Amino acid sequence: ETGVTQTPRHLVMGMTNKKSLKCEQHLGHNAMYWYKQSAKKPLELMFVYSLEERVENNSVPSRFSPECPNSSHLFLHLHTLQPEDSALYLCASSQEALAGETQYFGPGTRLLVL
Amino acid sequence: GENVEQHPSTLSVQEGDSAVIKCTYSDSASNYFPWYKQELGKRPQLIIDIRSNVGEKKDQRIAVTLNKTAKHFSLHITETQPEDSAVYFCAAKHTGRRALTFGSGTRLQVQP
Repeated sequence: ETGVTQTPRHLVMGMTNKKSLKCEQHLGHNAMYWYKQSAKKPLELMFVYSLEERVENNSVPSRFSPECPNSSHLFLHLHTLQPEDSALYLCASSQEALAGETQYFGPGTRLLVL
Repeated sequence: GENVEQHPSTLSVQEGDSAVIKCTYSDSASNYFPWYKQELGKRPQLIIDIRSNVGEKKDQRIAVTLNKTAKHFSLHITETQPEDSAVYFCAAKHTGRRALTFGSGTRLQVQP
């Protein structure tokens, strides 16, 4: 499946490192999302971008910094993370963020913070 | 904000039996209810969704029912097969909000 891609697929980083997660959608959508998926927890929404503008920030710590340079690309910049930030980070995209249209997920980046 | 509760957290059925997963939501304004299936190590994928203007929707062995009065919706899988084994997530959303609120997931295991 190539609709929504994410890189890297796996990432191990120390607490003092800086890294970035990348998401790209090839579906012509105008909204993109970052979710965090931890073991035994629901999918947690982190950020929503609609038409390249951040429209929702779900009380996410500042050590996570999103960037949406255009409607096809979304980044999540990481710095000074904590071990509890280890999780699967999923990107998703949809058309017309307000209208409840289907969200398509990427394969995720599995992050381990040591 | 919206709160979605999902039950059961795990479900084991014999191949060929039916499986039912239930979700309740808190925001009466919610009008879109998708169900996602996530196989081990894979991305969540939409399997069926329903909007608040209908009470039931069916797609082959999968059906979803919605009770707006009681604010709950359910996923029904008939004639289960081993490949139905996965984690299933329900979600809810209303037009005024941009993102989905997910339930905590149900791990379904179909025993051959």
